[in-house]
Amino acid sequence: AQKITQTQPGMFVQEKEAVTLDCTYDTSDPSYGLFWYKQPSSGEMIFLIYQGSYDQQNATEGRYSLNFQKARKSANLVISASQLGDSAMYFCAMSTGGTSYGKLTFGQGTILTVHP
Amino acid sequence: DGGITQSPKYLFRKEGQNVTLSCEQNLNHDAMYWYRQDPGQGLRLIYYSQIVNDFQKGDIAEGYSVSREKKESFPLTVTSAQKNPTAFYLCASIPRLGASGNTIYFGEGSWLTVV
Repeated sequence: AQKITQTQPGMFVQEKEAVTLDCTYDTSDPSYGLFWYKQPSSGEMIFLIYQGSYDQQNATEGRYSLNFQKARKSANLVISASQLGDSAMYFCAMSTGGTSYGKLTFGQGTILTVHP
Repeated sequence: DGGITQSPKYLFRKEGQNVTLSCEQNLNHDAMYWYRQDPGQGLRLIYYSQIVNDFQKGDIAEGYSVSREKKESFPLTVTSAQKNPTAFYLCASIPRLGASGNTIYFGEGSWLTVV
């Protein structure tokens, strides 16, 4: 079975500082993809970044980077230079092949609050 | 513009009634998904479909039913057997399974309230 764990229910960060949101995953499938999404209070899901299990480099998208440590099965999201607009719920998700081909599993989410 | 359209945005249901949430995509995506989100919680997978006329149960399928008669449509029926249906429902799709650099596309969601 595949599982995503986000152990931080809430995180606080000062504006302009960096913050790391934790995500660990569990799967026996060698082929998988990891996603991070942002959900503001409006409810929409905003794609941030994607990392494939065979990608050699850590993914980066602007202020977002994914710290992918395959041996530890972790895929932490790093947000540099936090902005007030970054305050939202953040979800880590995983897709796998194998017997759960096509299934997408999400973590419980982390609420990030950015203080001025 | 291409995207995923969910309707209705807000829906009120009386206890004992079945209701159907619509999800339509014009992105020619293979796989479609339904998730349930309770306030302050994560997304839980209800059902997913990889191809037309085929779908699989997710983690919380009891009390729900789906169909996939057309590639672009994946409606979700919340039946009277679902004991606590009040939640936010999100529909999602993926361009093609197994592709690298995939992005999950989401609809804007439907709020269902039992009255």
